[in-house]
Amino acid sequence: AQSVTQLGSHVSVSEGALVLLRCNYSSSVPPYLFWYVQYPNQGLQLLLKYTSAATLVKGINGFEAEFKKSETSFHLTKPSAHMSDAAEYFCAVSDRGADGLTFGKGTHLIIQP
Amino acid sequence: DGGITQSPKYLFRKEGQNVTLSCEQNLNHDAMYWYRQDPGQGLRLIYYSQIVNDFQKGDIAEGYSVSREKKESFPLTVTSAQKNPTAFYLCASQTGGGTDTQYFGPGTRLTVL
Repeated sequence: AQSVTQLGSHVSVSEGALVLLRCNYSSSVPPYLFWYVQYPNQGLQLLLKYTSAATLVKGINGFEAEFKKSETSFHLTKPSAHMSDAAEYFCAVSDRGADGLTFGKGTHLIIQP
Repeated sequence: DGGITQSPKYLFRKEGQNVTLSCEQNLNHDAMYWYRQDPGQGLRLIYYSQIVNDFQKGDIAEGYSVSREKKESFPLTVTSAQKNPTAFYLCASQTGGGTDTQYFGPGTRLTVL
């Protein structure tokens, strides 16, 4: 069985500050990992994904994440927060099949002016 | 434009009534999924289908039913047996294997009165 833990249901940062959203996973097989973003009352949009190539993955909107096997982590970062980054962020894991993703509970990112 | 459509955006039903949520995709994807989203709970998998005329239960299938008669369509019926049907429902699709991105529709917010 696989699971995802996102530390912090809410994270607040100032505009221009570093964004760090934490994700830890457990998986019985080498995982594929994803970060999605959701704006209010909308579907999910893929930010980036790790599929066992480079451990540092760059995504859209200036986000990146680093896969650390020893720490079973896949934290999401952005050097400088923008007001438009305010949204819900979900980390998800796949066991390499097509039988659905397992999601974390999400982190609501708040950007303070 | 290719994508996933869900209709309606908002749906209201009386308790005890069955209701069907529509999901259509024109991405030529083989696999389709239904997730349920509740505040602070992340997304949980209800049903998924990897090919036409075949589908599997996800983690929270009780009180739901699906069909997959066409590749493009994967409707979800919320039956009266579902104890807490009020939620945001998201449909997704992907081409096949676990490295592939799941693309999400805009969601349907179901409220049972």
